[in-house]
Amino acid sequence: RKEVEQDPGPFNVPEGATVAFNCTYSNSASQSFFWYRQDCRKEPKLLMSVYSSGNEDGRFTAQLNRASQYISLLIRDSKLSDSATYLCVVTPNSGNTPLVFGKGTRLSVIA
Amino acid sequence: EPEVTQTPSHQVTQMGQEVILRCVPISNHLYFYWYRQILGQKVEFLVSFYNNEISEKSEIFDDQFSVERPDGSNFTLKIRSTKLEDSAMYFCASTSGLAGGETQYFGPGTRLLVL
Repeated sequence: RKEVEQDPGPFNVPEGATVAFNCTYSNSASQSFFWYRQDCRKEPKLLMSVYSSGNEDGRFTAQLNRASQYISLLIRDSKLSDSATYLCVVTPNSGNTPLVFGKGTRLSVIA
Repeated sequence: EPEVTQTPSHQVTQMGQEVILRCVPISNHLYFYWYRQILGQKVEFLVSFYNNEISEKSEIFDDQFSVERPDGSNFTLKIRSTKLEDSAMYFCASTSGLAGGETQYFGPGTRLLVL
């Protein structure tokens, strides 16, 4: 079973749309959860950490359900510049431990 | 804003040759990592390094790989005898190591092509 699973997409949405990505992870002991963004042929960049209580950063909302081992990312009012691959990332332990990446979900926002 | 830098940005090599990929982590960071991403695949962890020694490595990081911090700023990944399947994007990352400072910052990567 894959450690972190994501729908690969692509998700093609018009500007202004709301889009949601889901992710599941297999290690129930996972400690930290993140969404990273990766543009084509570029490095992953942290979009936001994900907390059990849910958290919001502008147009982006992340949710974590530890019982279901499920993470989500909601993007409201999509912009053309949101087009990228969104990577679900977990760590098996707390602290400075290696990141475990999902394969990513590709988003294309169309004018 | 401080950033992780990597050189070269691209490297083409012949199978069986040695390559050294270089990284300069953010200056006050203490933990360093190498990841790789084969084209179209997910980012995979290779090795982490702290206090001048390997703290963790994956099963990908076999005897043909080694890491070194030769001075106070550089962090290198050496591949002794490259194989075709080593072709990938190699990312270096670093973290401060402070409590609450576990965010990993990635460098722009080195694209390695083995022919």
